[in-house]
Amino acid sequence: GEDVEQSLFLSVREGDSSVINCTYTDSSSTYLYWYKQEPGAGLQLLTYIFSNMDMKQDQRLTVLLNKKDKHLSLRIADTQTGDSAIYFCAETQGGSQGNLIFGKGTKLSVKP
Amino acid sequence: NAGVTQTPKFQVLKTGQSMTLQCAQDMNHEYMSWYRQDPGMGLRLIHYSVGAGITDQGEVPNGYNVSRSTTEDFPLRLLSAAPSQTSVYFCASSYSQGSIQYFGAGTRLSVL
Repeated sequence: GEDVEQSLFLSVREGDSSVINCTYTDSSSTYLYWYKQEPGAGLQLLTYIFSNMDMKQDQRLTVLLNKKDKHLSLRIADTQTGDSAIYFCAETQGGSQGNLIFGKGTKLSVKP
Repeated sequence: NAGVTQTPKFQVLKTGQSMTLQCAQDMNHEYMSWYRQDPGMGLRLIHYSVGAGITDQGEVPNGYNVSRSTTEDFPLRLLSAAPSQTSVYFCASSYSQGSIQYFGAGTRLSVL
């Protein structure tokens, strides 16, 4: 079945760049997503990328998609303490369903 | 701009009690879904609906019932709560199956 893998923890210093990586299995996914969850809060859609794109940039965020390797990454430039959160990678389930398959989340800690 | 609204935000139940988690969206979205989030896990799909009158099971449907009598509402029912159902529950909606999903703030449920 489909699976999404991501590393569980990442620690960076304020001002550095953060790179969160994700691998997925379903090559027929139409969208790939990054969601952000702050402590005790819901999921905030951070950004997404269509499967026919290689890169998407949105202010401090850069998403890179390597379809051949089924690898997705999220780069946060000039990471701030407010970026500390759990980041979830998700793919749309293939076939006719379109449901989301989530990774377990990467906890980003930003040290001042 | 309400988006996806979940009630209640918090709930404590005793084993064997029943309750309904409410989810409403005001975006005229056809697709709605329920996920549960457990510590150290990503989100897992419980049930979903592609439109009024149509529901289907996700990855972890046991112990939960849903119905979709209107486009706006998608309640999740726990018929006889068990401690294993202690979790954070998220409702999501999207314009159509496979399009971008937006999440509610979540309901934190504890079953004692």
